[in-house]
Amino acid sequence: QKEVEQDPGPLSVPEGAIVSLNCTYSNSAFQYFMWYRQYSRKGPELLMYTYSSGNKEDGRFTAQVDKSSKYISLFIRDSQPSDSATYLCAMSGNFGNEKLTFGTGTRLTIIP
Amino acid sequence: DAGVTQSPTHLIKTRGQQVTLRCSPKSGHDTVSWYQQALGQGPQFIFQYYEEEERQRGNFPDRFSGHQFPNYSSELNVNALLLGDSALYLCASSAPDRGVETQYFGPGTRLLVL
Repeated sequence: QKEVEQDPGPLSVPEGAIVSLNCTYSNSAFQYFMWYRQYSRKGPELLMYTYSSGNKEDGRFTAQVDKSSKYISLFIRDSQPSDSATYLCAMSGNFGNEKLTFGTGTRLTIIP
Repeated sequence: DAGVTQSPTHLIKTRGQQVTLRCSPKSGHDTVSWYQQALGQGPQFIFQYYEEEERQRGNFPDRFSGHQFPNYSSELNVNALLLGDSALYLCASSAPDRGVETQYFGPGTRLLVL
């Protein structure tokens, strides 16, 4: 069993819809939770960064962490065609700069 | 402010050869990590360098080695290349002692082993 599980998709939604992306994990030592966006043939770009449980909002993006369920989510409101990319969840232990453990990524397409 | 830069962007090698990839961290960052991303997969941690020493290592064989220079730039070396080493190699930088605990990635080097 992988430490981090993420549905690879692909996921297609119409423009303007709310998108929900999720990851589950098995290692209770994870304390830092990140979401990266990766466009085709590019490096991952940091979107959101959360420490421990709770919610964090940044513009159209909201990250949620539920450590009791070992479940994290990323919500995208008012989705745009430019949001079409692969979304990777990543986690680390005591420090955010430690080894990151990634999910496989979810490929998202926003249909105009 | 320049982000993380990597060179070369693409590389083609044959089995058994050796390769060196290079990374310059984001300005103000002193910690460099390397990841391997196979097609359709998430990045896998190779190792991390801080103060010119390997601080943490993932589950990769000794054929993968690295180096960090006094200016914080880094190299990843892979010896005796295998077909399975074909992947996107990503460098990430951070500066934990300065409060920047998250890792910022470069564009990657795409390696093809024939």
